[in-house]
Amino acid sequence: GAVVSQHPSWVICKSGTSVKIECRSLDFQATTMFWYRQFPKQSLMLMATSNEGSKATYEQGVEKDKFLINHASLTLSTLTVTSAHPEDSSFYICSARGTHLKSSYEQYFGPGTRLTVT
Amino acid sequence: GQNIDQPTEMTATEGAIVQINCTYQTSGFNGLFWYQQHAGEAPTFLSYNVLDGLEEKGRFSSFLSRSKGYSYLLLKELQMKDSASYLCAVRDRRVVTFGTGTKLQVIP
Repeated sequence: GAVVSQHPSWVICKSGTSVKIECRSLDFQATTMFWYRQFPKQSLMLMATSNEGSKATYEQGVEKDKFLINHASLTLSTLTVTSAHPEDSSFYICSARGTHLKSSYEQYFGPGTRLTVT
Repeated sequence: GQNIDQPTEMTATEGAIVQINCTYQTSGFNGLFWYQQHAGEAPTFLSYNVLDGLEEKGRFSSFLSRSKGYSYLLLKELQMKDSASYLCAVRDRRVVTFGTGTKLQVIP
């Protein structure tokens, strides 16, 4: 149980285009989803927290107009990187937490999406 | 905010025991996690401590001292597949913040 999927697993796009990344909780309802970014050899940096049906809370320094987050249902959250630039190339990971999980404090991570902007 | 410190790298021998330390400073402490992350993959959950003491789970154990802002992850009977980064993460009232991770290399 507690499986989180992400799609796509990797994507290459041209500078200036937008990319959408999906995060799905497959066997539980995710009341809260988190989006992280991880640059090579660095730790996970929290970008934003989203609760189903409400606006995402962005961390300091993260542009909400550039990284659009939609948590429209209890099983799906999307991150759209708008007008992507090479410096946005990174490993984007989502995680989900649900009150129905045996361990409600745990966050279950998706497999990640590697974005390369050329 | 939170400040989390871990050693950057460690090397240990297959079959041995290794202890990875983590110190933290935070307001509103609400638990400490350890995650394992293989290169290019997402982290996987290892342990969660919210009270002082030692939690044992198979070959892995995690210890917490809230008064000292200190935790360690103990790995016993090391296997080659344990080569990975180990992330210490601290939860406050709002979010979980990750340390930079300790890259463990297990050698024969």
